[in-house]
Amino acid sequence: DQQVKQNSPSLSVQEGRISILNCDYTNSMFDYFLWYKKYPAEGPTFLISISSIKDKNEDGRFTVFLNKSAKHLSLHIVPSQPGDSAVYFCAASSYMEYGNKLVFGAGTILRVKS
Amino acid sequence: DVKVTQSSRYLVKRTGEKVFLECVQDMDHENMFWYRQDPGLGLRLIYFSYDVKMKEKGDIPEGYSVSREKKERFSLILESASTNQTSMYLCASSISPGQGVGGQYFGPGTRLTVT
Repeated sequence: DQQVKQNSPSLSVQEGRISILNCDYTNSMFDYFLWYKKYPAEGPTFLISISSIKDKNEDGRFTVFLNKSAKHLSLHIVPSQPGDSAVYFCAASSYMEYGNKLVFGAGTILRVKS
Repeated sequence: DVKVTQSSRYLVKRTGEKVFLECVQDMDHENMFWYRQDPGLGLRLIYFSYDVKMKEKGDIPEGYSVSREKKERFSLILESASTNQTSMYLCASSISPGQGVGGQYFGPGTRLTVT
């Protein structure tokens, strides 16, 4: 049973517009959430995270929103740039989880058209 | 900067061969992980280690084993490679929960093809 779901396999956005990537989770023990970005033939790189005590975290063009009651988080990229084209993975963790294990979603391919 | 390196970027092996994938991190992290990434399935955890000589099964350990003899090095072993093990293999490391909550740092990946 997938505990972290990214229901959109792909998303296409025009350069300069907003990209919104969504993620749902089922495990209420998760209290830390991360987004990773992955280019082909490279390892994922950490993008932004949010703790469950917050509902928003912002870092430059990237903002993550967390809705705990809906068990939903989203990543907003504004404005989108062609270099943002990559696979985005949502991941979740429980702080008390031994070893800082992460549970990943299946990923969303973002294509930003110029 | 955290650096996680993997021994090979691309590897082609034959069915039945024993395959070793090596991973080294330079940040003195306690935790190390092996994942495989397949289209539509995301990253699936194979094994992880929270200390030298300690290992825990992840979600898909069948057909794999691991070794952690030194803190900085974590090896993934395919005892007898099969075609369904063709995949991208990713190694990662992280701090322990007691040191604060943080993400995992990934290596560049090894694209393994088993023919």
